[in-house]
Order: sequence, then structure tokens, then C-alpha cells
Amino acid sequence: EAQVTQNPRYLITVTGKKLTVTCSQNMNHEYMSWYRQDPGLGLRQIYYSMNVEVTDKGDVPEGYKVSRKEKRNFPLILESPSPNQTSLYFCASSFRLAGVHLLNNEQFFGPGTRLTVL
Amino acid sequence: AQSVTQLDSQVPVFEEAPVELRCNYSSSVSVYLFWYVQYPNQGLQLLLKYLSGSTLVKGINGFEAEFNKSQTSFHLRKPSVHISDTAEYFCAVSERDSSYKLIFGSGTRLLVRP
Repeated sequence: EAQVTQNPRYLITVTGKKLTVTCSQNMNHEYMSWYRQDPGLGLRQIYYSMNVEVTDKGDVPEGYKVSRKEKRNFPLILESPSPNQTSLYFCASSFRLAGVHLLNNEQFFGPGTRLTVL
Repeated sequence: AQSVTQLDSQVPVFEEAPVELRCNYSSSVSVYLFWYVQYPNQGLQLLLKYLSGSTLVKGINGFEAEFNKSQTSFHLRKPSVHISDTAEYFCAVSERDSSYKLIFGSGTRLLVRP
């Protein structure tokens, strides 16, 4: 089954304790992205990656890191989490076809990771 | 800078009634427009998209949306809703010639009552 998986689905942690949220897709997609969803703000992009070893900042990158060492995986790293990073996080992926605008290809979203930082 | 406004945070409606969820955007260039749906405890799913061509776009589950360039709107409609349509709906925009990112609205919660 084609899907985007995220782990963990729920996480409660404390300020300053490094954590990683994993994202994996089995559709051979080039493009992957992380969003955070907060009430009244919709989804905001944190980081995105066009392909292996190619990453770039989205709208709210502060306090986050990413890496793209393999095509299927795109982990989100919080080196020193703070309470303002309490949120619902979504990973998404899509194909990136040459000559076709990226968003002509549907983005597939993971089920979300609910993070609470105390 | 582009932005998306969904003025209605919640829309209650009775089953089998019609519904319209409003979306307005601002951008100085041509855009692509999208509607996504999020069912409880799930990720987002694409409902429909406008890239070019006909301004009336039909999507899944009986939804449709109309692109109105002069009013910079992309309202979502369904002639008869079901209980199962209860979800949060997000409008999103992307500029055609620049970045590959989606800018989302704040969402509208559709609550369908029996």
C-alpha cells in the first residue's frame, strides 16, 4: 500500500531533550516536506526537500533541522525542543516530474505526529 | 506575499443541505489553488485543484469549486452534504512561477448534523 508513515504518532517530552520524528514514504517520491498545524493558523511549512541531499527552509524553520540521506526518509529533528513547538506535525511527499510544476502532482500526507513539549 | 483567508472557522449545516465554504487569496501573480480535507485523526487528502483551464473544478465526494480571478476567490461547494462530510477543510495556494510550497488557510470545520 502506497503511504507516508510517521513515528511516533504521539510524543510528550520536556524542554531541551533532543528528539527526532521520522517520516518514510514508499512511493519513490522526490519531494518531501514537513508542516506544523496549529489552531487558527492552518498548516505552515517547516522544511522541504527536492531530492536526496537537497533541503531548504520553509516559512517556520527556526528550532528545527532535517536531513535527506535516503530518498524514502526525511526525519525532523528538534535539537532543543521548547513549549512553543508543541504542535501537530505532518510529513508529505510527491513526485517531482521534469517540466511539470511540482504541485501538479498530488502531495500525500502522513497521519500526523502530535508533539507536546512541557 | 501570497496569503489565504478562510473567514468561516466553523460551518454547521443539516444533512442533505447545500454548503459553501469560502476561500479568498491574495497574490500579485498567477496561482494554483487547492482544497484539502482532513478527517478526524487523519492526514490531509486532496479534494480538488485548479491549475488552468475551466474555472469550475470538480473533485472527489461530490465537491466542486469555482475559481473567480476578479474576486480572487475559490469557494468550495456541495449541493447536498452527508454526515460523513464532517471534517476540516483547508484552502491552499501556490504561486506558479516561484517556490514549490503551499500556503494554507486557517481551515473551516464543517459540522453536518442529522
